[in-house]
Amino acid sequence: DAKTTQPPSMDCAEGRAANLPCNHSTISGNEYVYWYRQIHSQGPQYIIHGLKNNETNEMASLIITEDRKSSTLILPHATLRDTAVYYCIVRAWVNNAGNMLTFGGGTRLMVKP
Amino acid sequence: EADIYQTPRYLVIGTGKKITLECSQTMGHDKMYWYQQDPGMELHLIHYSYGVNSTEKGDLSSESTVSRIRTEHFPLTLESARPSHTSQYLCASSAPRPGGGDYGYTFGSGTRLTVV
Repeated sequence: DAKTTQPPSMDCAEGRAANLPCNHSTISGNEYVYWYRQIHSQGPQYIIHGLKNNETNEMASLIITEDRKSSTLILPHATLRDTAVYYCIVRAWVNNAGNMLTFGGGTRLMVKP
Repeated sequence: EADIYQTPRYLVIGTGKKITLECSQTMGHDKMYWYQQDPGMELHLIHYSYGVNSTEKGDLSSESTVSRIRTEHFPLTLESARPSHTSQYLCASSAPRPGGGDYGYTFGSGTRLTVV
């Protein structure tokens, strides 16, 4: 699986957009970009994932560069409850395989009033 | 409403005791996983399963064992608990999505184990 690089921490003002970057310069053509977050010591929560195209759901938007070497997770209107550690993970999906996720250090996002 | 359940939520137990951490999911997912996480540290995969009767060890060596007799159930057992086993244990499951990739992992709330 491709290695990812994320800033260890970021701050964001409440109500503003939070843009979390992730570099994955060694990504392969069949690897997806996944984003998860972990609030305090709860189980991680799936946010969004994509392969090539930008994706949007009720939680966030995922912007993947054309060369796929980096991506940005966008929380359009951050709230205090979005304070969490955000993980960017890159891996392929293979049928009949384990498809395990490897979590790195992530970005600790602090949303401030 | 949780679709993956872990019990107990908290457990304090003495050294040498045998314990089983329960994990059940109601989504019919074939793939299930156990992660271990110390406070403020990264998650590490310790076990996973492709489906019934399939179990594999993860990246982090663990003295625990798992079984997968039913699709919905993936218990983790420690035969003889030690203080070094004190940690949070998180269970997850996933399923493929039509068109590629998966729907993402669904994690349980975790079991926080303390061995004294």
